[in-house]
Amino acid sequence: QVQLQEAGPGLVKPSQTLSLTCSVSGGFISTGSHYWTWIRQPAGKGLEWIGRVYASGSTSYNPSLGSRVTISVDSSKNQLSLQLTSVTAADTAVYYCARVANRNVRLDVWGQGTTVTVSS
Amino acid sequence: DIQMTQSPSSLSASVGDRVTITCRTSQRISNFLNWYQQKPGKAPKLLIYAASSLEGGVPSRFSGGGSETDFTLTISSLQPEDFATYYCQQTYSTPPLTFGGGTKVEI
Repeated sequence: QVQLQEAGPGLVKPSQTLSLTCSVSGGFISTGSHYWTWIRQPAGKGLEWIGRVYASGSTSYNPSLGSRVTISVDSSKNQLSLQLTSVTAADTAVYYCARVANRNVRLDVWGQGTTVTVSS
Repeated sequence: DIQMTQSPSSLSASVGDRVTITCRTSQRISNFLNWYQQKPGKAPKLLIYAASSLEGGVPSRFSGGGSETDFTLTISSLQPEDFATYYCQQTYSTPPLTFGGGTKVEI
């Protein structure tokens, strides 16, 4: 079955760029029935949607993050990426990638999550 | 954006209890609502989609109901592995995906 694995630095300095990748195994990222999303969760808090990307490269982002976020897909590597610029302590969270089924917009496969701490 | 309000934010229950969690939305969304379960240190897991459809592999003691603005997630007989936090998610108007604040089910 499809599995997702996030990877990236666990510590990022304030004002720098957070960069994460999500590798897809057991299936192809280029699927017509799914798209891909990033979700984050600060410690002890709820889930916040960051944005989504289709295999075509089409994206949508959470307006609360403004122009700081970029999500992309690399079909040749079967992975998606997240970049968040100008980070602050408020961006400290567990970051999850997930697959979203077009039908019912259900997040049916999740990565295990990776913790990112923003600190000098 | 559609606002999601879950209640209660936490509850205490015992094994075997029937538990009901409520999710209210700020506008009518038909049945465009999903439910997730999250255990400590783990990613959320899809339980229910389209308000009442059980995701494959999810025990039948979980059920979802409601429509438009008021939804419920019911666990008919709480099991030890069900102690977790539960989130609702609206799928009527996306993006953005929006989630409820969560309900923590504790012993």
